[in-house]
Formats: sequence, C-alpha cells, structure tokens
Amino acid sequence: DAGVTQSPTHLIKTRGQQVTLRCSPKSGHDTVSWYQQALGQGPQFIFQYYEEEERQRGNFPDRFSGHQFPNYSSELNVNALLLGDSALYLCASSLAYQGYSPLHFGNGTRLTVT
Amino acid sequence: QKEVEQNSGPLSVPEGAIASLNCTYSDRGSQSFFWYRQYSGKSPELIMFIYSNGDKEDGRFTAQLNKASQYVSLLIRDSQPSDSATYLCAVNGNSTGAGSYQLTFGKGTKLSVIP
Repeated sequence: DAGVTQSPTHLIKTRGQQVTLRCSPKSGHDTVSWYQQALGQGPQFIFQYYEEEERQRGNFPDRFSGHQFPNYSSELNVNALLLGDSALYLCASSLAYQGYSPLHFGNGTRLTVT
Repeated sequence: QKEVEQNSGPLSVPEGAIASLNCTYSDRGSQSFFWYRQYSGKSPELIMFIYSNGDKEDGRFTAQLNKASQYVSLLIRDSQPSDSATYLCAVNGNSTGAGSYQLTFGKGTKLSVIP
C-alpha cells in the first residue's frame, strides 16, 4: 500500500523563479494538505484541497497556489521565489469527513532558493 | 491566533528512563491532538493522537490530555537511543468536515536518549 509520495526530493531554484511540487496521496485518501517547514520550526499549514477545490488556506501570500487533479494528486506552485521560501515542503493526505482522520505526511521536497 | 507551545529542549534522558514531553495550546475549542516524531532531515511520522480527556496508551507511548488546562503530554517509557528525535505537538480545532485538517504545530522538542 503506497503511502504519500512527493517529487522531487530536492530542488534548487534562483530568487524570482517559479517552482512546482507534486504529491500523490496515500491510496484511498481524497484530501491533500500542504505544509511548509522552515529550519527549526514546526510545519505551517499552506492550504488544503478536496474535490479539486481549495477548501482552507493558511497565512500564505497568493504567490502560493495549488491544484488537485481528478485522481486526487496535487501540485503546489510558488511564483516569484524569495530566499525565505527555502524550506521543507510537506504534503499530507487524509480521508475527508471521517472525523478523527490523522494526517499522513510524505517524505517532503527540500526547496533551496539562492 | 492559535498557538501551540513546546519546550524546545534539548531534553536529555538516560536509556531506559521515562521521557516526558509537554505541550500547551491557546485555542480552547481545539478538538484533537497529535504527536509526531521527526528525525533530522525526515518528514513527521504520526506516533499518537488523542481526543478525549485522560490517558491513551500505545506500547511504550502514553498521551495525556487535559482540556481544562489546555495541556497535552507524551510519555515515552523505557526510552531507547532510537527515540532520539524532535517531537512535534499538533492541534486541530475542528474535528470533522473538510476543514478538519488544518493542524497547528508547535516548534517541537528535541529529545536525546543517552546510552
């Protein structure tokens, strides 16, 4: 049973560029959430997708956008990269409307902005 | 703004001892509480979750919740060097619905188990 998979594992970009990160949820899950984890900090919620729509959004600028596809996979796009966007980006999947369904995280994408 | 506070540590315990990790949260309406373990350079791994006041045990791990005091803790019995990691406390304010997956995390407590 495949867990949450993310690609790529590592990415190096230059300030001002754009980046796309990808996530496939755990088999049977239909909801994808994205988190940003800066060094030494806990993960911070970016947004959550369900039924191909953004359902919840954290305190992140519009430079951060996403998409969910009919197969439940998801993309996170970040435009006009800043040095401060360097972080571990985590995707988590879950099953909606299941009450106490814990999040299961993928291995993350380490983004470095130079 | 919802906040989750943890002592950043490091917390050092000898092998075989009990490690006690603590977490407080600001949102009194919080419904569910999670402990994640994160090894350096890796992603968070779910250890336990708890929703009701009291204790919940799973193997060497016990989660304790006191909603009146807005306090949740994790006890690790018979600590092993392999338990050395950062432990993240996470809180969810809404237990059901499509909006129920916005977790607020603490900064984590770094645990070191000394052989």
